[in-house]
Amino acid sequence: QQQVKQSPQSLIVQKGGISIINCAYENTAFDYFPWYQQFPGKGPALLIAIRPDVSEKKEGRFTISFNKSAKQFSLHIMDSQPGDSATYFCAASKEGAGGTSYGKLTFGQGTILTVHP
Amino acid sequence: KAGVTQTPRYLIKTRGQQVTLSCSPISGHRSVSWYQQTPGQGLQFLFEYFSETQRNKGNFPGRFSGRQFSNSRSEMNVSTLELGDSALYLCASSRLRYDNEQFFGPGTRLTVL
Repeated sequence: QQQVKQSPQSLIVQKGGISIINCAYENTAFDYFPWYQQFPGKGPALLIAIRPDVSEKKEGRFTISFNKSAKQFSLHIMDSQPGDSATYFCAASKEGAGGTSYGKLTFGQGTILTVHP
Repeated sequence: KAGVTQTPRYLIKTRGQQVTLSCSPISGHRSVSWYQQTPGQGLQFLFEYFSETQRNKGNFPGRFSGRQFSNSRSEMNVSTLELGDSALYLCASSRLRYDNEQFFGPGTRLTVL
């Protein structure tokens, strides 16, 4: 059973536009929500992460919005650039001690972002 | 500070063989997790090690195993390889005992013929 659903599967935006990727989770025990960026031939790179005690976190052009009641979170990329073209993954986990929580990130299926110049 | 390193980067094996992949975490990181990435299944958690102990395991058959050494370096082994084991195998490390802020290596691309 997929526990983190990500949409859209692919996204095309123009340079300077806003890219928005959405994720929904099922497990209410999740308390850590990172986003990863992956370029072809590379491993995923941690982009930004949020914990449920805040509703929004911004780092440069990247913003996470978090809605705990709806069990949804999203990534907004402002002023999108061709260099942002990559695959983006949302993920969720439960931190702290506990049998199934150690080191396990549950990933969404990924969004292929293409930014046209 | 050097990132997570994985060796080898590419590997070609035939069905029935076994393979060992290696991961060196970021200096000071003691937790190592392994993931399998395929186009169809995406990123799936294999197992996690901390202080040489496996603390968590994903839903993979027993052919997949791992271990961690006292210097936090980790290896994973896949025995009796199947065509479906072709994937990118990723290692990630975390600094804290109960922290899932993970940093990934470049992965090992395994092709099973």
